[in-house]
Amino acid sequence: SQQGEEDPQALSIQEGENATMNCSYKTSINNLQWYRQNSGRGLVHLILIRSNEREKHSGRLRVTLDTSKKSSSLLITASRAADTASYFCATGPGGTSYGKLTFGQGTILTVHP
Amino acid sequence: EAQVTQNPRYLITVTGKKLTVTCSQNMNHEYMSWYRQDPGLGLRQIYYSMNVEVTDKGDVPEGYKVSRKEKRNFPLILESPSPNQTSLYFCASTAGGRYNEQFFGPGTRLTVL
Repeated sequence: SQQGEEDPQALSIQEGENATMNCSYKTSINNLQWYRQNSGRGLVHLILIRSNEREKHSGRLRVTLDTSKKSSSLLITASRAADTASYFCATGPGGTSYGKLTFGQGTILTVHP
Repeated sequence: EAQVTQNPRYLITVTGKKLTVTCSQNMNHEYMSWYRQDPGLGLRQIYYSMNVEVTDKGDVPEGYKVSRKEKRNFPLILESPSPNQTSLYFCASTAGGRYNEQFFGPGTRLTVL
């Protein structure tokens, strides 16, 4: 079964609004990453948060991590039409499996101009 | 330019006809992975490799083979493709260490008739 589960599955907002996507996972992790995918293309890394971090910012992105609840959220502020894409969380497990990432099913974000 | 390349980008084949999808990265990364992406299932890891001649199964390895004879290349082999392997395939690479982003190739859309 998938490690990460994202919520909502789809989100539709107007340009300028904030978009919040949530990710829950099941097992212990050493990091959680968010990726973006434009339709049918490869994924692009957005931000990584380590298991000992609670919040991280990058430009208009804000990620939080609550390891006690096994959940993370991605906030995109002041959204733009160009932010329209699918967003995936991915968890890196504890231990030494550095190359192994488990992805959630993704949230489809549509930003209307 | 740092990149991961995949070939072919599109492939239509028939059941049972062996095929290979190539993947190459120019970033001297140690770790490489193959994923498949299916609607409603997100990305699932097929195989990953920690270094030359070192590979391990991901979540859905059945029906696939990989090899890592050189650091830059990580081909995916389907010995006897079946229709349920119709999917969008992504190769990815990452530098060593626990906290590194994965760089994705552009994807290979495979259809098995």
